[in-house]
Amino acid sequence: AQRVTQPEKLLSVFKGAPVELKCNYSYSGSPELFWYVQYSRQRLQLLLRHISRESIKGFTADLNKGETSFHLKKPFAQEEDSAMYYCAFRLYGQNFVFGPGTRLSVLP
Amino acid sequence: KAGVTQTPRYLIKTRGQQVTLSCSPISGHRSVSWYQQTPGQGLQFLFEYFSETQRNKGNFPGRFSGRQFSNSRSEMNVSTLELGDSALYLCASSLGTGEKDFFGPGTRLTVL
Repeated sequence: AQRVTQPEKLLSVFKGAPVELKCNYSYSGSPELFWYVQYSRQRLQLLLRHISRESIKGFTADLNKGETSFHLKKPFAQEEDSAMYYCAFRLYGQNFVFGPGTRLSVLP
Repeated sequence: KAGVTQTPRYLIKTRGQQVTLSCSPISGHRSVSWYQQTPGQGLQFLFEYFSETQRNKGNFPGRFSGRQFSNSRSEMNVSTLELGDSALYLCASSLGTGEKDFFGPGTRLTVL
């Protein structure tokens, strides 16, 4: 079965430090990968997806098929980045599979 | 544009009852997906509808069902409620599969 793992439940970094949220998936084909974010008291929202190859709020993520990873990175974390981050996986036209989430806390 | 709306926002039911949750998508969106979010299981996909047809279904028992109307509004129904059905139920709408989806605020269901 397809799975998404996010090894860190909680990640704390200081403001201005680089941040990397890890995501690995178990599938050998060509899936769609996504990062979703949920800020405190706000709705879940799409942050970015690998097919668009865009940078949102300074975050980027590169799909590494060899390592089956889709880590989320930002060179300089901001306090407003504190949120819950979910990595998600989908085979075209099929169900979403979400990771358990990583809570990012950016300390002042 | 108004965002995705879900009603009711909070609901308390007892075991054995049934419940219907409603989701109104963003105007023009024809795809609606439903998710269950719990502290233990995280976010799990329930089903996806597009133009009144169920396109995908997650790994949930038959007690969980849904439908979509011609105006793209969607409902999900859970029959014979169990304590474990207590969760935040989220819906999301998009123009179609593969398009960016927008989430509603969720309906928090508590089963006593």
